[in-house]
Amino acid sequence: DQQVKQNSPSLSVQEGRISILNCDYTNSMFDYFLWYKKYPAEGPTFLISISSIKDKNEDGRFTVFLNKSAKHLSLHIVPSQPGDSAVYFCAASANFNKFYFGSGTKLNVKP
Amino acid sequence: EAGVAQSPRYKIIEKRQSVAFWCNPISGHATLYWYQQILGQGPKLLIQFQNNGVVDDSQLPKDRFSAERLKGVDSTLKIQPAKLEDSAVYLCASSLGPYRGNTEAFFGQGTRLTVV
Repeated sequence: DQQVKQNSPSLSVQEGRISILNCDYTNSMFDYFLWYKKYPAEGPTFLISISSIKDKNEDGRFTVFLNKSAKHLSLHIVPSQPGDSAVYFCAASANFNKFYFGSGTKLNVKP
Repeated sequence: EAGVAQSPRYKIIEKRQSVAFWCNPISGHATLYWYQQILGQGPKLLIQFQNNGVVDDSQLPKDRFSAERLKGVDSTLKIQPAKLEDSAVYLCASSLGPYRGNTEAFFGQGTRLTVV
């Protein structure tokens, strides 16, 4: 039972353009969401988070949008850089209990 | 600040053998997690410790997997006996605590297990 889904296994974007990574969830009790970035042979590293009391959170080039009614969140990277090429995971939890991860989207930013 | 340390990095064993993984979390982190990541999937929580107590082990296959966190610091995850479907990357992570503002988990590099 996948409660967090990332339906796009991969995404290719030109350097300087916007990257949009999407994530859907099914559990309406989820109230805290995270994005992690993972390079090959490394563990995931925290990127940005958002609480369900907000609909947007920004950190530099990274912005996460949350649409609670649609149970959808997205990560925007503007402008995209080749160093952003990695696998991106979204994760969700209810009341800071167990986090459920999506299957990841592999982003390739072409120079 | 030292990160989460895991060993070994790679392990190849035959099915029905035993294997153990070790994790040293970031100093001062009360919460420790073990995740299993099968190829093409996201990390799945196996067990979560708060200090040396178990908070959640609902997805740990207890007939073959065991984990302990002695003295609330280091942790070991054991599989006995291993099955082919246990082939995965085992990730250890730690965080200050499972409460608002301190939930960011820091991950180790993982141990890639191949069962043949």
